[in-house]
Amino acid sequence: DAGVIQSPRHEVTEMGQEVTLRCKPISGHDYLFWYRQTMMRGLELLIYFNNNVPIDDSGMPEDRFSAKMPNASFSTLKIQPSEPRDSAVYFCASSGDRGLRSAQHFGDGTRLSIL
Amino acid sequence: DQQVKQNSPSLSVQEGRISILNCDYTNSMFDYFLWYKKYPAEGPTFLISISSIKDKNEDGRFTVFLNKSAKHLSLHIVPSQPGDSAVYFCAASRKGGKLIFGQGTELSVKP
Repeated sequence: DAGVIQSPRHEVTEMGQEVTLRCKPISGHDYLFWYRQTMMRGLELLIYFNNNVPIDDSGMPEDRFSAKMPNASFSTLKIQPSEPRDSAVYFCASSGDRGLRSAQHFGDGTRLSIL
Repeated sequence: DQQVKQNSPSLSVQEGRISILNCDYTNSMFDYFLWYKKYPAEGPTFLISISSIKDKNEDGRFTVFLNKSAKHLSLHIVPSQPGDSAVYFCAASRKGGKLIFGQGTELSVKP
């Protein structure tokens, strides 16, 4: 069984550029989560979806961040324009039928560096 | 306002001994707790969970203890193995709420 797949694994780009992170959840999982990990704030939830619908986006830092889930097997997190303070590791996770009470399965993350 | 705290950033233990990782929380509405393990360059992996109706849950070498009155949980690993060396995160949630993670504790198990 393939786990959660994220791409790219690493992204280095210049300030002001658009960045798109991609995630393929585990097949059959109804919940998808985007997290950001930084030294200062640890692992924090940005947004989560249930059945492709955004449920809670209160963790999205500002309007420069947006996330979509056009179908059950794909999600994107976009930053436009990017800033150096967006540098972090971004994780995608998915979980099954117990939703928020299910163990979340994480991808290996995208390490983003904004110069 | 950190609702889930892991006050020890690191812990070093000898192989074969017990590792005890601690976690404190402030929100009395939290009723579900989990531990995740994370190796470098990988995502966190679920380890063990406990709901607030229990005070102990065991899975092989891993046991989680919950003390609701003290708002404290701990993860015991017995016996510790070098492959257990990783960062351990505790996380908590309330019914219908999202997971809140602690800052993590880096465990080093020395042969």
